[in-house]
Amino acid sequence: AQSVTQLDSQVPVFEEAPVELRCNYSSSVSVYLFWYVQYPNQGLQLLLKYLSGSTLVESINGFEAEFNKSQTSFHLRKPSVHISDTAEYFCAVSDARPLDTGRRALTFGSGTRLQVQP
Amino acid sequence: NAGVTQTPKFQVLKTGQSMTLQCAQDMNHNSMYWYRQDPGMGLRLIYYSASEGTTDKGEVPNGYNVSRLNKREFSLRLESAAPSQTSVYFCASSDSPDTGNTIYFGEGSWLTVV
Repeated sequence: AQSVTQLDSQVPVFEEAPVELRCNYSSSVSVYLFWYVQYPNQGLQLLLKYLSGSTLVESINGFEAEFNKSQTSFHLRKPSVHISDTAEYFCAVSDARPLDTGRRALTFGSGTRLQVQP
Repeated sequence: NAGVTQTPKFQVLKTGQSMTLQCAQDMNHNSMYWYRQDPGMGLRLIYYSASEGTTDKGEVPNGYNVSRLNKREFSLRLESAAPSQTSVYFCASSDSPDTGNTIYFGEGSWLTVV
């Protein structure tokens, strides 16, 4: 089984400042890693994912995350945030072994609320 | 492009009442899921269905039943609602393992049990 820890429940930051949202995971097997974003009163949307290959992955709106296997981390970063980035961010992990797709359900962290202030 | 559609969006129930949350996806995905979201706890898996005709328990299945009616539809039933089931419920579906089993979510159903 896997588990995910998001150490910060809330992260306030000023507009145009850099931000890092921390995520650590625990697993005895290889994993896929995901970041999802949830805007108020909406469902979750995939932000980016790590499956294999390059450990640095990027989203279309300027976020990036780096898979660090030795530290079991997948921190999310953005060099300059906008007001529109205000949302809750969830880190998630799934089993990467060849399994039935249904057994690859995501395990989520508790979420980090990013609050961008003008 | 509807994706994952779930109904109703809002519901208030009295303790002991029953209800069914409906979910449908139009992406031809094999796998479907029901999660609940509670403050400070992230999303927890209630049930999932790897394919039409199969269902399996997730982390928090007690008090719920599910039906995979066909490839498109996956419903969640509360037989006797309890205040502890007040939550936001998300249905989701996922694509193939080759693309990392990305999970796509509906917009949520807000359920209050009084």
